[in-house]
Amino acid sequence: DTGVSQDPRHKITKRGQNVTFRCDPISEHNRLYWYRQTLGQGPEFLTYFQNEAQLEKSRLLSDRFSAERPKGSFSTLEIQRTEQGDSAMYLCASSAQVSGANVLTFGAGSRLTVL
Amino acid sequence: GDSVTQMEGPVTLSEEACLTINCTYTATGYPSLFWYVQYPGEGLQLLLKATKADDKGSNKGFEATYRKETTSFHLEKGSVQVSDSAVYFCALSSSGGYQKVTFGTGTKLQVIP
Repeated sequence: DTGVSQDPRHKITKRGQNVTFRCDPISEHNRLYWYRQTLGQGPEFLTYFQNEAQLEKSRLLSDRFSAERPKGSFSTLEIQRTEQGDSAMYLCASSAQVSGANVLTFGAGSRLTVL
Repeated sequence: GDSVTQMEGPVTLSEEACLTINCTYTATGYPSLFWYVQYPGEGLQLLLKATKADDKGSNKGFEATYRKETTSFHLEKGSVQVSDSAVYFCALSSSGGYQKVTFGTGTKLQVIP
C-alpha cells in the first residue's frame, strides 16, 4: 500500500470555474476525511465518510462544496464557482483504530490557487 | 464543541536546547490526544498519541503526557536537532460518535546549528 494519494497536487484556476480533487485512501481504511488548511492555520474539518456514507459536513462549508465516495473507495471533492477565498491546501486523510485511538493518515494535499 | 489551543510560534532554538510546546484542550468525555508533525514539503504525520489520563506518548525523543486535571498535552524534547525543524500540531479525537479529529493552529519550530 502506498498510503493516501491525492490528485492533482496543484491546481490553478480562475474565479468562477469548477474544480475537482480526488483522494485514494489506504485500502483497508473505511473512514475518510477532508480537511482544508490555509497558511499559518491548522487543518479545518470539512467532511467525513464512513464507507460510502457521508456522515458529517462542516457547517462552515457552503453549498458550492460537494463530496462523494462511491463504493466506499476513492473520494472526490468538487468546488463549484470557485472564489479567491477558496485558495487553500485541501487535505484528505483516512483512518484506522490504533490501540484504541483514531489515527489519521494524511495525503500530501492538493493546493488550490484561485486567481 | 471540541477545541485545541497551542502556543503560538515560531519557536527558534539552538541545537541541543530543551523544547516545550504547550497545548490545552476543551472536550467532553475522554478524548484521545495527538501530536502531528509536518516537515517542510511533506504531509502531516503522526508523531505520538495518548488515549487516557496519565498516559505518556513518546516517539523520536519527543514525549507528551495526558493531563486530565489541567486538560493539557504539552510536547517536550530534551535535546532538539536541526532535523526537528517542522510545524507541530496538537489534536484531539472525540470519544463519541465517529471520533472527529480537531487540530490546533500549529507551532513552527526552527532549530539552528
